[in-house]
Amino acid sequence: QKEVEQNSGPLSVPEGAIASLNCTYSDRGSQSFFWYRQYSGKSPELIMSIYSNGDKEDGRFTAQLNKASQYVSLLIRDSQPSDSATYLCAVNLYNFNKFYFGSGTKLNVKP
Amino acid sequence: EAQVTQNPRYLITVTGKKLTVTCSQNMNHEYMSWYRQDPGLGLRQIYYSMNVEVTDKGDVPEGYKVSRKEKRNFPLILESPSPNQTSLYFCASSSLYLSALQGAEAFFGQGTRLTVV
Repeated sequence: QKEVEQNSGPLSVPEGAIASLNCTYSDRGSQSFFWYRQYSGKSPELIMSIYSNGDKEDGRFTAQLNKASQYVSLLIRDSQPSDSATYLCAVNLYNFNKFYFGSGTKLNVKP
Repeated sequence: EAQVTQNPRYLITVTGKKLTVTCSQNMNHEYMSWYRQDPGLGLRQIYYSMNVEVTDKGDVPEGYKVSRKEKRNFPLILESPSPNQTSLYFCASSSLYLSALQGAEAFFGQGTRLTVV
């Protein structure tokens, strides 16, 4: 079992819709959770971080964390074509020694 | 400007010819790490370093070496590259101090696309 699992997609949504991206993790010692956006051939860039259960909102982005169920999600409201990218979920274990990344979900936002 | 700088950005080499990919950060971060990214496999950690002279293996260390003689630099060394090391490589750094408080994200370099023929 992988440490972090994501549906590879592609996930296609029309412009203006809500995109919902999901991620599950296996280690209950996971402490910090991050969503990165990666355009093809480019380096990952941080979108959101979340550390405690519940929702965290930042502009059009909302991260949701449920430690009991071991999942973290990212909602993108009013999706734009520029949001089309691969979204990586990352988990930082308790001892900080490692980041684990999911394989990413490819999002296509159609005009 | 805070950044992680990798060089070279692109490299084509032949099997067995030793190479080094450099990584430098200007944020005084303690933690540095190397990843490789392959289609369908996501980012996999090769080696990481918690501070100067402290390095440890990640999930896929075979065929790679690293060193951390200075806080800002963390080079990745391929002593005898093979075609299965053809990949996109990323260096990343992070603050251990901020992580101790509430967790800290990783800042990534621009990536190095390596082809071994």
